[in-house]
Amino acid sequence: QKEVEQDPGPLSVPEGAIVSLNCTYSNSAFQYFMWYRQYSRKGPELLMYTYSSGNKEDGRFTAQVDKSSKYISLFIRDSQPSDSATYLCAMSVVGNTPLVFGKGTRLSVIA
Amino acid sequence: GAVVSQHPSWVICKSGTSVKIECRSLDFQATTMFWYRQFPKQSLMLMATSNEGSKATYEQGVEKDKFLINHASLTLSTLTVTSAHPEDSSFYICSATGGPPDTQYFGPGTRLTVL
Repeated sequence: QKEVEQDPGPLSVPEGAIVSLNCTYSNSAFQYFMWYRQYSRKGPELLMYTYSSGNKEDGRFTAQVDKSSKYISLFIRDSQPSDSATYLCAMSVVGNTPLVFGKGTRLSVIA
Repeated sequence: GAVVSQHPSWVICKSGTSVKIECRSLDFQATTMFWYRQFPKQSLMLMATSNEGSKATYEQGVEKDKFLINHASLTLSTLTVTSAHPEDSSFYICSATGGPPDTQYFGPGTRLTVL
């Protein structure tokens, strides 16, 4: 079993839809959880960062962490065509250690 | 948020030459920098971890003599691909940690094409 599992998609939704992206993990030592957005041929951009169970909201984005289930989610409300990108979940045991990435989910938001 | 830059953004070189890629943290001091490699439609693969003033730690399977990493200051790390070959063609991305919050910020990446 891989440390971090993420459905690679592709996921295609109409503009305005609510998008749900998910990752599961096996290492209970992970404490820091991040979501990155990566456009084609660009570096990953940090979207959300959490280090505890529960929800964290930032504009149209909500990150959810359930440590008991080893499951994290990213919700995107009112999705826009500009949200079309690959979304990578990442996690680490402590803040300055290498991140373990999911494979990334390719999202397309159709106008 | 914290900003990380990379230079160059795109480089083409001949087989057998060496290429240096710079990674800079612009508005924070990076205690640790990471170098990743990414092939098309794949996730990032960690190559090495570098701490300022000490030798880099390479991941299994990464040739340290081929991919030279120098982290000379708290704002600059360099990756030199020595004697590059076409199979080294890839997207190289650095990240840095040390800025708030204590997570990693990525550079825009460098696309290397070896002819």
